[in-house]
Amino acid sequence: EVQLVQSGAEVKKPGESLKISCKGSGYSFTSYWIGWVRQMPGKGLEWMGIIYPGDSDTRYSPSFQGQVTISADKSISTAYLQWSSLKASDTAMYYCARDLGAAVQDAFDIWGQGTMVTVSS
Amino acid sequence: QSVLTQPPSVSGAPGQRVTISCTGSSSNIGAGYDVHWYQQLPGTAPKLLIYGNSNRPSGVPDRFSGSKSGTSASLAITGLQAEDEADYYCQSYDSSLSGSGVFGTGTKVTVL
Repeated sequence: EVQLVQSGAEVKKPGESLKISCKGSGYSFTSYWIGWVRQMPGKGLEWMGIIYPGDSDTRYSPSFQGQVTISADKSISTAYLQWSSLKASDTAMYYCARDLGAAVQDAFDIWGQGTMVTVSS
Repeated sequence: QSVLTQPPSVSGAPGQRVTISCTGSSSNIGAGYDVHWYQQLPGTAPKLLIYGNSNRPSGVPDRFSGSKSGTSASLAITGLQAEDEADYYCQSYDSSLSGSGVFGTGTKVTVL
């Protein structure tokens, strides 16, 4: 079964760092782009960025460039989303998702279950 | 804010047909980039409903259909059912955003 399994919920304080993960299984992890999507409480989906684990080619939405870092470790079929200094406004559900084709503009066909990040003092 | 605009809400009675529009511009839908549609049930991850403008993944009922014309796209749901009550999002690619993807503003479908 093709699936993406994300790390568990996190509760952090402003200014702290965080790295959440997304582990792929059931397919060739290095052959598909993996994207990250933010959903703030009660709000819509936001495309954050995407990485190709095969060569670590990474693209960011201008809204998230410089705010987060996307990476991948192909040896363990895992993608990451990290923050160096969290803000309260980073409180949201974060989803990873697999791009179904070979191009960045293809659809996300497989989604992780989501990781809830809460940032509060 | 998103560059793809959707109506905040649409509603219909069971069995009816509803459509959701997704309006973009010449740098995304109008540039020829594909549009994809997702359904998000409350408290769950989004699910791919339509990809490449009009293609349904395996397992998606043929009550759902997609189309694209010019700078807009549409999702149609025929034979509306109670379980279709959810949020729906379009997605495309925008060449003016450093080559990144973009989601629509989202539409809440209510079954009356």
